[in-house]
Amino acid sequence: GQNIDQPTEMTATEGAIVQINCTYQTSGFNGLFWYQQHAGEAPTFLSYNVLDGLEEKGRFSSFLSRSKGYSYLLLKELQMKDSASYLCAVRPNTNAGKSTFGDGTTLTVKP
Amino acid sequence: DADVTQTPRNRITKTGKRIMLECSQTKGHDRMYWYRQDPGLGLRLIYYSFDVKDINKGEISDGYSVSRQAQAKFSLSLESAIPNQTALYFCATSEEGTEQFFGPGTRLTVL
Repeated sequence: GQNIDQPTEMTATEGAIVQINCTYQTSGFNGLFWYQQHAGEAPTFLSYNVLDGLEEKGRFSSFLSRSKGYSYLLLKELQMKDSASYLCAVRPNTNAGKSTFGDGTTLTVKP
Repeated sequence: DADVTQTPRNRITKTGKRIMLECSQTKGHDRMYWYRQDPGLGLRLIYYSFDVKDINKGEISDGYSVSRQAQAKFSLSLESAIPNQTALYFCATSEEGTEQFFGPGTRLTVL
């Protein structure tokens, strides 16, 4: 089975840095995705990690430790538009290939 | 034009009615998915299809059925709608091992 945990809510200040954690316990592992979802809208892809380490993409970075079953999404220079839910999704290493999503972390950025 | 489209975008229906939600994509992806999302929760997989002849149940398939009419089209049906099927429904597509691309969602209310 798959178990993915993320904090339910986080609050941060505009211009600051925030780290959103995701821990997982899965029957297999073949990569971890992060998606951003604004209220009432579709999720959009942010990052994909399959190997340990940090992947940087502009203001957003994502880290993975497979041995610890742990990932985080780092958002720098926060902007008001970063207020959204952030979904962690794990892809198993079975032929099924479908991903399992966490419940998401709702981030509120305050002035 | 959007790569993944869903119709209708909003629907209000009554208990016991049959409802069909449609999804079309122009991305040329073989893999398509149907999810539902309830307030404060992540995405739960209803059904998925890896090609036209392949249909698989997800974690919450009871009360739903699907049809993969073509590579580009994947429909979700509620045979006899009930109030706890009130939710936001998303269609998504992907290539093998890559991120998913989501449609804009269908907000369904069952009275």
